[in-house]
Amino acid sequence: NAGVTQTPKFQVLKTGQSMTLQCAQDMNHEYMSWYRQDPGMGLRLIHYSVGAGITDQGEVPNGYNVSRSTTEDFPLRLLSAAPSQTSVYFCASRDRDTEAFFGQGTRLTVV
Amino acid sequence: GQSLEQPSEVTAVEGAIVQINCTYQTSGFYGLSWYQQHDGGAPTFLSYNALDGLEETGRFSSFLSRSDSYGYLLLQELQMKDSASYFCAVSKGSASKIIFGSGTRLSIRP
Repeated sequence: NAGVTQTPKFQVLKTGQSMTLQCAQDMNHEYMSWYRQDPGMGLRLIHYSVGAGITDQGEVPNGYNVSRSTTEDFPLRLLSAAPSQTSVYFCASRDRDTEAFFGQGTRLTVV
Repeated sequence: GQSLEQPSEVTAVEGAIVQINCTYQTSGFYGLSWYQQHDGGAPTFLSYNALDGLEETGRFSSFLSRSDSYGYLLLQELQMKDSASYFCAVSKGSASKIIFGSGTRLSIRP
């Protein structure tokens, strides 16, 4: 059972480049979320989804887009990377009132 | 808006008991959960409280008082491997989203 799989694990981008962080889960969870974690900080919610075709903004959505075309996948798109987006990104999935399962994270550096 | 407050750092001795407090201010509160994160790792779930009272899972217990907007995580028989960051998190909006606190770094001394 793979759980939540994030790719890539590491990425370096130049300012202004765009890219997509991938997240896939095989637990048939309805709820999926993207968080970013800066050094020594907590997790801040970027976007979340409560089912295929349904997404909403979290605490820090600017500069990011998401879509949810299937239950399994929840990609996060950086539109035009900025140094302020250097962070560790975590994807999580869960059923409504249960524990969240996290992927291993994507460590992104924007230079 | 919402806010969660928890101590930034706590130090304890191996074998002892430690309590990490969390206070929150948020609309649409649904439940309070706790996660552990070791350096370089992903958060992992520890406990969840939707109703007032104490939930016990092995050495870990979590408490919630909805009227006081307060909860805590209690760790007993501390082990060196418990050195990690601990996050409280509120579920809100019919549990559609989870908002995390800034975390408490727990250091265990021999």
